Amino acid sequence: GGIITQTPKFLIGQEGQKLTLKCQQNFNHDTMYWYRQDSGKGLRLIYYSITENDLQKGDLSEGYDASREKKSSFSLTVTSAQKNEMAVFLCASSRTGGALEQYFGPGTRLTVL
Amino acid sequence: GDKVKQSPSALSLQEGTNSALRCNFSIAATTVQWFLQNPRGSLINLFYLVPGTKENGRLKSTFNSKESYSTLHIRDAQLEDSGTYFCAAEAGNYAQGLTFGLGTRVSVFP
Repeated sequence: GGIITQTPKFLIGQEGQKLTLKCQQNFNHDTMYWYRQDSGKGLRLIYYSITENDLQKGDLSEGYDASREKKSSFSLTVTSAQKNEMAVFLCASSRTGGALEQYFGPGTRLTVL
Repeated sequence: GDKVKQSPSALSLQEGTNSALRCNFSIAATTVQWFLQNPRGSLINLFYLVPGTKENGRLKSTFNSKESYSTLHIRDAQLEDSGTYFCAAEAGNYAQGLTFGLGTRVSVFP
């Protein structure tokens, strides 16, 4: 078993601000992911990383940067927060090959004023 | 939501009844996951499927890759089954991210 932690739980920012979200996993998984969930919708992939220092863009990467500092951690940066933006950002991890089951963290809820 | 279509979008169930949720895929899905998102927003893993069927308690799920669909059956619905159910597909044999449906909101009433 393992756990994924995300910090902060709630993030409030101003328009135009650069904001960073952090994720840690202790599954010893190689691959980590960032997804965005808008209210009442499904999740959409922003970035993923199959190993340390690797980055792969998802469908929603515009407006975001990511950094895989080490195997256990993956950060996401909102490069310029948009006014009235509200979403939950979810981090996940999985193996890279074989059984690819993804496990999710509890999320960071972003509000931009 | 177009690549993974979930139906119905919402479902109201009386306690003790049975129901089925469905996902249709327009991508070449190789594996499927089903999640329950609880009111706090946490995603709970229900099933991870290669083509075939799995059962866990009152839940049963099937993934048919040839016909591009997956189903989740809920038997003897309980109040704690309420929440939003998501299916998600991976296309390929290596990690590249899940494509999610828009979810089915399930409400179980006494």
